[in-house]
Amino acid sequence: NAGVTQTPKFQVLKTGQSMTLQCAQDMNHEYMSWYRQDPGMGLRLIHYSVGAGITDQGEVPNGYNVSRSTTEDFPLRLLSAAPSQTSVYFCASSGQGGSPLHFGNGTRLTVT
Amino acid sequence: RKEVEQDPGPFNVPEGATVAFNCTYSNSASQSFFWYRQDCRKEPKLLMSVYSSGNEDGRFTAQLNRASQYISLLIRDSKLSDSATYLCVAYTGGFKTIFGAGTRLFVKA
Repeated sequence: NAGVTQTPKFQVLKTGQSMTLQCAQDMNHEYMSWYRQDPGMGLRLIHYSVGAGITDQGEVPNGYNVSRSTTEDFPLRLLSAAPSQTSVYFCASSGQGGSPLHFGNGTRLTVT
Repeated sequence: RKEVEQDPGPFNVPEGATVAFNCTYSNSASQSFFWYRQDCRKEPKLLMSVYSSGNEDGRFTAQLNRASQYISLLIRDSKLSDSATYLCVAYTGGFKTIFGAGTRLFVKA
């Protein structure tokens, strides 16, 4: 059972570079989301999707784009990386609102 | 004020101790609640859901008090392997899930 798979596990970017964090789930979950986790801040929602073709902003969406072309995949794009985006990023999915979230292993991103 | 607030700790307890974590939430419309466990540099994993009637899973007991907007987690007979960060989570509807910043627990031999 793969569950939620994130790639890459680690990434170092220079300021201004762009990249895409990949997230895939094989549980046929409609809901997928991206969080960032910073020390002392807890997990903060970046963007989420309630189904293919439907996305919406979370608490901290600036500097990030998402798309949901399939039920399985929900990539997160950093348009022009900034040091403030240094963080640990988690992708999560659930079958419906209010159900527990299943998390991927995380991506540790450093922007220099 | 944060929507979900937890004591950050750390809590340092000896093996075998009983430890309690508290959490408050500000949105009275919150519908469901969870405790997650997060090990260092790992992803959060569901520990247990929290029900109004209270629920127990082995050494772990969760309680919800809607009137006081308060959630608790009790761990009995602490093990070294319980050392982790415990996240309080509230679902407020519309796919909005709010995480507390977490409480760190260290269990020592």
